[in-house]
Amino acid sequence: GAVVSQHPSRVICKSGTSVKIECRSLDFQATTMFWYRQFPKQSLMLMATSNEGSKATYEQGVEKDKFLINHASLTLSTLTVTSAHPEDSSFYICSATAPANTDTQYFGPGTRLTVL
Amino acid sequence: AQSVAQPEDQVNVAEGNPLTVKCTYSVSGNPYLFWYVQYPNRGLQFLLKYITGDNLVKGSYGFEAEFNKSQTSFHLKKPSALVSDSALYFCAVRDSSKRAGTALIFGKGTTLSVSS
Repeated sequence: GAVVSQHPSRVICKSGTSVKIECRSLDFQATTMFWYRQFPKQSLMLMATSNEGSKATYEQGVEKDKFLINHASLTLSTLTVTSAHPEDSSFYICSATAPANTDTQYFGPGTRLTVL
Repeated sequence: AQSVAQPEDQVNVAEGNPLTVKCTYSVSGNPYLFWYVQYPNRGLQFLLKYITGDNLVKGSYGFEAEFNKSQTSFHLKKPSALVSDSALYFCAVRDSSKRAGTALIFGKGTTLSVSS
């Protein structure tokens, strides 16, 4: 149980285009979903917290207009990187908590974004 | 402020030997503590957590961790290391006084390398 998927696993795009990353909780309804960014051999940096049906809460320094988060249902959250630039290249990971166990976060496999 | 310290960037052990990956934390209230493991280009996998109760917590793949309140530590241990344990390990904390669904604070990660 508690499986989280991400799609795509890897994406390469041209500078200036937008990329959408999906995060799905497959066997539970996610109370809250989190989006993280991870640079090579570094820790996870929390970007934003999203709750179904409400606006995401962004961490300081994260541009909400650039990283659009939509938590449309209890099983799906999307992160759209708008007008991507090479410096946005990174590993993006989502996680989710379930109503019955909000203490534990379950992580998706991550999405490797490369912006050329 | 909450924080997590993993003082070692890398830990090297021989297969069959015991391993320890260190973690210390700082929170204002009581801690909820977690260990996650990450394999290359993958998301994080949950290993174990301490919420309350017995200070020795047993988790997946033979790992265990001991909560030590006086030393504010939560070191990860395994009696006999396997080559397949080689990965990046993250310690994380959440202040129990924060509302449910609050994001975790992660340490910088420790790379475990087990040699055959």
